[in-house]
Amino acid sequence: AQKVTQAQTEISVVEKEDVTLDCVYETRDTTYYLFWYKQPPSGELVFLIRRNSFDEQNEISGRYSWNFQKSTSSFNFTITASQVVDSAVYFCALSPFCNQAGTALIFGKGTTLSVSS
Amino acid sequence: NAGVMQNPRHLVRRRGQEARLRCSPMKGHSHVYWYRQLPEEGLKFMVYLQKENIIDESGMPKERFSAEFPKEGPSILRIQQVVRGDSAAYFCASSPPSGTGAYEQYFGPGTRLTVT
Repeated sequence: AQKVTQAQTEISVVEKEDVTLDCVYETRDTTYYLFWYKQPPSGELVFLIRRNSFDEQNEISGRYSWNFQKSTSSFNFTITASQVVDSAVYFCALSPFCNQAGTALIFGKGTTLSVSS
Repeated sequence: NAGVMQNPRHLVRRRGQEARLRCSPMKGHSHVYWYRQLPEEGLKFMVYLQKENIIDESGMPKERFSAEFPKEGPSILRIQQVVRGDSAAYFCASSPPSGTGAYEQYFGPGTRLTVT
């Protein structure tokens, strides 16, 4: 069975703190994709990153960085120097590899991040 | 470049009525997905469609729910005889045709369905 676990339900930090959101996944597939999405209070879902299972390089995009560890089945997300605008629900998701575009995403339950000033 | 469009954004229905949710994919996208988000839950896959075809409906409830993506016009998620448990946010996502190497699903703003 495929599953995504985000053990942290809620995290509260003060502005400028670094924060890491954990994501652990389960799959029997050898090839798969991992994603992070952000859902701000306005409710829409914003795509942040996609990572292939065969690419374990960490990625940095501005204040965001992602640490993919295949050995521990984890795909953690770190926000450096958090800002109030980072307050949102963050979802980690998994999909099996498909050489076509269409496969279902399996989402974790999300982590609610609150950043106070 | 318009994103995924969903309407209405909010929909209130009484128990027993029908709900119709519409989704227009991003320009150039031919794959549409519907997900449901119950309160305090993550998103759950419902159905995946291409034009005039249902590819995967493994997440659709067996009764009262149906989806279509006609040759012309938006994709429609239809819920007949709604019950209070159908109250949720329904998200539509789209992705490009196969072979482009891009597998991200881009989500619309969602439709919040409230059943009274």
